[in-house]
Amino acid sequence: DAGVIQSPRHEVTEMGQEVTLRCKPISGHNSLFWYRQTMMRGLELLIYFNNNVPIDDSGMPEDRFSAKMPNASFSTLKIQPSEPRDSAVYFCASSLAGYTGYTFGSGTRLTVV
Amino acid sequence: RKEVEQDPGPFNVPEGATVAFNCTYSNSASQSFFWYRQDCRKEPKLLMSVYSSGNEDGRFTAQLNRASQYISLLIRDSKLSDSATYLCAVPDSGGGADGLTFGKGTHLIIQP
Repeated sequence: DAGVIQSPRHEVTEMGQEVTLRCKPISGHNSLFWYRQTMMRGLELLIYFNNNVPIDDSGMPEDRFSAKMPNASFSTLKIQPSEPRDSAVYFCASSLAGYTGYTFGSGTRLTVV
Repeated sequence: RKEVEQDPGPFNVPEGATVAFNCTYSNSASQSFFWYRQDCRKEPKLLMSVYSSGNEDGRFTAQLNRASQYISLLIRDSKLSDSATYLCAVPDSGGGADGLTFGKGTHLIIQP
């Protein structure tokens, strides 16, 4: 089992640029979650999908953030335009619906300068 | 969003000692609770699930107090390798496939 795979591991970009983070969940898991982690705010749920359908995006900070899940094996989180305050570690996690023990990916460390 | 509170620590504990820390939650409807371990610059990893009064796994014991709305994690015979940040997590609804709200974590340092 390869686990949850995220790419890239690190991303450094300039303010105003578009950033796309990618996630491949564990095969067979039908729930996918995007979290953001900072020292100040801890782990924050941004959005989650069940069976590829977005269920709750109330955690998305603003319209600059968008997420898609075109199929069961792939999801993206996009930030356009990026700002320095978006700098954080972004985690993707997946689980079997009805069992909330998530498996997290290794995360993408985003730095916006 | 629901509140989950933890003492950030750090807890400095000598090797071999027993240490316990709590996590309080506001969502009284929650039926399941989770402890995750996160090492520095790594992802959180599930340590224990708690679905009723408690759960025990080797040196680790998780307990639930519904009346006071807190869960606790107890580590016996602590090892140097137990040094990490411990996050508690509570479902946003009663359970199922909804999101988890995480506490900010308790930093544990086991000293030789």
